[in-house]
Amino acid sequence: GDSVTQMEGPVTLSEEAFLTINCTYTATGYPSLFWYVQYPGEGLQLLLKATKADDKGSNKGFEATYRKETTSFHLEKGSVQVSDSAVYFCALSAETSGNTPLVFGKGTRLSVIA
Amino acid sequence: GAVVSQHPSRVICKSGTSVKIECRSLDFQATTMFWYRQFPKQSLMLMATSNEGSKATYEQGVEKDKFLINHASLTLSTLTVTSAHPEDSSFYICSANNARQGGSYTFGSGTRLTVV
Repeated sequence: GDSVTQMEGPVTLSEEAFLTINCTYTATGYPSLFWYVQYPGEGLQLLLKATKADDKGSNKGFEATYRKETTSFHLEKGSVQVSDSAVYFCALSAETSGNTPLVFGKGTRLSVIA
Repeated sequence: GAVVSQHPSRVICKSGTSVKIECRSLDFQATTMFWYRQFPKQSLMLMATSNEGSKATYEQGVEKDKFLINHASLTLSTLTVTSAHPEDSSFYICSANNARQGGSYTFGSGTRLTVV
């Protein structure tokens, strides 16, 4: 079945450091790919998404490119802030209607220290 | 943007009682809603998929008689934890699919259930 593998944390960075969180996927067909962020005690917020190969999703300084050849969707940010401390989930959707559930990676906890 | 309201955000109940959690799409119609459970420092575990007007589809290992899901309208799905026990204590999150924006998943803010 479909699956998502993302680097395990926790990841601890100093403020203004460069962030990369790796995410690879296994899926039949052409899934849509997502990054969600979860702050403590809250639900998930969509950070960015890409629906086809070579698409780049971006939001709040974060970006990720849908790489079909490497089945990857790595999350990057050039300069992290303390407020970026959260858990980040990579996810895929097997089809575009939204009627099937997202498949999540295990999540990566990011801590940014001043 | 699309908003999903989930209530209550926190609930404490006694063993043996039932608890109802509501998931409401405020500004869109949701043909499909998903219920997840999240253990501390872990990923989300899909419990069930609910479609408006039909029975929910439960994932393997999830007791449908214990976790009752009702999706009576296009804007409301409820999860009832029946005869709750301490092992049911967890963080429950719902997600709704925006039918007009296919592939758009909006999450509620979650419910922290503690059974004492």
